[in-house]
Amino acid sequence: KNEVEQSPQNLTAQEGEFITINCSYSVGISALHWLQQHPGGGIVSLFMLSSGKKKHGRLIATINIQEKHSSLHITASHPRDSAVYICAVTNAGKSTFGDGTTLTVKP
Amino acid sequence: KAGVTQTPRYLIKTRGQQVTLSCSPISGHRSVSWYQQTPGQGLQFLFEYFSETQRNKGNFPGRFSGRQFSNSRSEMNVSTLELGDSALYLCASSSDRLSGNTIYFGEGSWLTVV
Repeated sequence: KNEVEQSPQNLTAQEGEFITINCSYSVGISALHWLQQHPGGGIVSLFMLSSGKKKHGRLIATINIQEKHSSLHITASHPRDSAVYICAVTNAGKSTFGDGTTLTVKP
Repeated sequence: KAGVTQTPRYLIKTRGQQVTLSCSPISGHRSVSWYQQTPGQGLQFLFEYFSETQRNKGNFPGRFSGRQFSNSRSEMNVSTLELGDSALYLCASSSDRLSGNTIYFGEGSWLTVV
């Protein structure tokens, strides 16, 4: 079992839909990151969380430390949100990554 | 402000050779971390350098090594290349990755081993 599990693996949505991607982890962490990777390789760090909730534009990330679970929400999804979303946790200085969720938003 | 720059972007090497990849962090950043991404294993943490010292290391064999210079530029080296080393190698910089500062990724170096 991976230390970081993401669900769903693949997600297709219509433009405008509300999207949720989940991340569960099994180790103690100092921080959790949500990353976005577009085709071609470029990765952007969306959020770094150690507790609570963060919001940036249409993106919201939450973390529940007790339940070892985080969610990434996208409101009013748009085709440009199509990408792979990766959850990563940092523990004792080392980072472990989920397998990613491939999101396709159709116009 | 210039982003994280990785060179070369694409390269092809033969099994048994060695390769050196370079990463120039964002100006002022002292933390540089390296990652390997393959279709089979996904993203994996290689190591991190902070102020010229290796601060953390992932679970990779000793063939993978790195260093950081006084100007924070970093290099990683893979010796005795194997076919399985074919991957996208990503570098990221931060003021201090472990203090919760935002990490910024480069575009990566695509390595193909034939």
